[in-house]
Amino acid sequence: DAGVTQSPTHLIKTRGQQVTLRCSPKSGHDTVSWYQQALGQGPQFIFQYYEEEERQRGNFPDRFSGHQYPNYSSELNVNALLLGDSALYLCASSLFEGRGTQYFGPGTRLLVL
Amino acid sequence: ELKVEQNPLFLSMQEGKNYTIYCNYSTTSDRLYWYRQDPGKSLESLFVLLSNGAVKQEGRLMASLDTKARLSTLHITAAVHDLSATYFCAVDRFGRSGTALIFGKGTTLSVSS
Repeated sequence: DAGVTQSPTHLIKTRGQQVTLRCSPKSGHDTVSWYQQALGQGPQFIFQYYEEEERQRGNFPDRFSGHQYPNYSSELNVNALLLGDSALYLCASSLFEGRGTQYFGPGTRLLVL
Repeated sequence: ELKVEQNPLFLSMQEGKNYTIYCNYSTTSDRLYWYRQDPGKSLESLFVLLSNGAVKQEGRLMASLDTKARLSTLHITAAVHDLSATYFCAVDRFGRSGTALIFGKGTTLSVSS
């Protein structure tokens, strides 16, 4: 049983560019949450998707957007990249019903130059 | 705004010793998680605590929750090198339409002989 998968594993971009990160949830899960983890910090909640809708959003600008597909996979898009967007981006999947435990993927490490 | 504070942020322990990590949070929540993160890796779920007085144990780790004091503890018994990692507590910020995990800054544990 595959766990949460994310792609790509690493990415290098320059300021002003746009990036798309992808996540496939654990089998049986229907909810995907995205987190940003800067070096030496705890993960910060970006948003959560369920039934292809954004359900909750953290304190992130509109440059951060997402999407969830009918197969529950999800994308995180970041526009107009800033140096400060360099971080590990973590996807977590869970069951919406019963507020199940969130299981994290391996992450995508983004470096903005 | 929900805030989560952990202390200490860094902990250097000798093998065989006991210690406790503390997690305080600022507003009411009915669910608290502990995660472990190894360097360069993703987060691994350790415990979920669902009610006041809840206690869970796995090996040398024991977690407890006091919702009235808004405090959770992670107790380490007879530390071994394999426990070296960063430990995060996270509080479930449950809204009407979804959930978000709010993380502390993490406690980096180093166990040496």
